[in-house]
Amino acid sequence: QKEVEQDPGPLSVPEGAIVSLNCTYSNSAFQYFMWYRQYSRKGPELLMYTYSSGNKEDGRFTAQVDKSSKYISLFIRDSQPSDSATYLCVGGAGSYQLTFGKGTKLSVIP
Amino acid sequence: DSGVTQTPKHLITATGQRVTLRCSPRSGDLSVYWYQQSLDQGLQFLIQYYNGEERAKGNILERFSAQQFPDLHSELNLSSLELGDSALYFCASSVVGRGDQETQYFGPGTRLLVL
Repeated sequence: QKEVEQDPGPLSVPEGAIVSLNCTYSNSAFQYFMWYRQYSRKGPELLMYTYSSGNKEDGRFTAQVDKSSKYISLFIRDSQPSDSATYLCVGGAGSYQLTFGKGTKLSVIP
Repeated sequence: DSGVTQTPKHLITATGQRVTLRCSPRSGDLSVYWYQQSLDQGLQFLIQYYNGEERAKGNILERFSAQQFPDLHSELNLSSLELGDSALYFCASSVVGRGDQETQYFGPGTRLLVL
């Protein structure tokens, strides 16, 4: 079992929809979690960072971590075509080791 | 633009050959990371350098090696290439390489195709 699991999609939604991207993890040593966004033919870029259980909001994006169930979510409100990308869920342990999920591909249709 | 540069953008080579991928980190970043991204494995951490010294190793094959030079640029050497080495290779950099609460900035990647 991979340490970080994501549904690969693709997930297609109409513009303006609320998007829910989900991720589960198995490594109890993960101390912090990130969501990276990767556009086609580009490198990943950090979108959200969370260190503890609970919610963190940044504009239209909300990251949610439930350590008891090892479940991570990213919500995108009022989705835009520019949100079309692959979203990578990441678990972090220690000072450098990041474990990436395979990503969920999202398409927001105008 | 993340500020991390990688060359070349694309590389096509044959099995058994050796290639070198180059990465220049963001100005001021001391730590460089190399990742491999393939369709079936996702993004895999290979190796990290901090200020010229190896700090951490991930799933890096013995045929692969890397180094970070005094000017902080880094090179990833891939030898005895196999078809399965075809992938996107990303370099990332961060200020001190502590991971927690520190953003890794990714370059645009080098797309390697082994024929």
